[in-house]
Amino acid sequence: DVQMTQSPSSLSASVGDRVTITCRASQTISSYLNWYQQKPGKAPKLLIYGASSLRSGVPSRFRGSRSGTDFTLTITSVDPEDFATYYCQQSYAAPPYTFGQGTRVEMK
Amino acid sequence: QVQLQESGPGLVKPSETLSLTCTVSGGSINSYYWTWIRQPPGKGLEWIGDVFNSGTTNYNASLKSRLTISIDTSKKVFSLNLKSVTAADTAVYYCARGVVGITGTQFDYWGQGSLVTVSS
Repeated sequence: DVQMTQSPSSLSASVGDRVTITCRASQTISSYLNWYQQKPGKAPKLLIYGASSLRSGVPSRFRGSRSGTDFTLTITSVDPEDFATYYCQQSYAAPPYTFGQGTRVEMK
Repeated sequence: QVQLQESGPGLVKPSETLSLTCTVSGGSINSYYWTWIRQPPGKGLEWIGDVFNSGTTNYNASLKSRLTISIDTSKKVFSLNLKSVTAADTAVYYCARGVVGITGTQFDYWGQGSLVTVSS
């Protein structure tokens, strides 16, 4: 199975900060990488698909990029509603679909 | 607006079968992978398996021997049955819609989640 490794596991940020989360795949997955946001007690929400395509309705401050097997989710200016946990998920070598372990973005 | 809703018991005894149903509304059930994903308390997401509208299934190898996923397209529901459960199966179980595009499969709509506790 493809292993997805996210870093960091948590971070603290202030409103307006630029935040970067990284997800590394254990093998090539092309651009078959999605990002989700999950708030406590809620289901995950799809933010970005295909490594860099923004889902309709998602604010443009969320950006995704790829460099080889490394993928990045950037929040260009953190909004109060962005404090949540973020997961990456690959669908290249699937099934099984595999997720990263999550990155918690907390308020500083 | 597509909506998914899980239903089923919140408490299951060890060695028994966990059964959940997901009802789909507001959209077609055709041409999607109807998926189950679970999340143990305080932990990450684990893909369990899926079913296409044709009835074709894919299962996580770690659960395959205990798992059955089925679909009833006429009622727009799909179901999960996991037998011989243990405490390790305690989790929030989500149903989700998998949509296939040119850059793979994304889970674009999710149910609100159903907490299932395995305990005697």
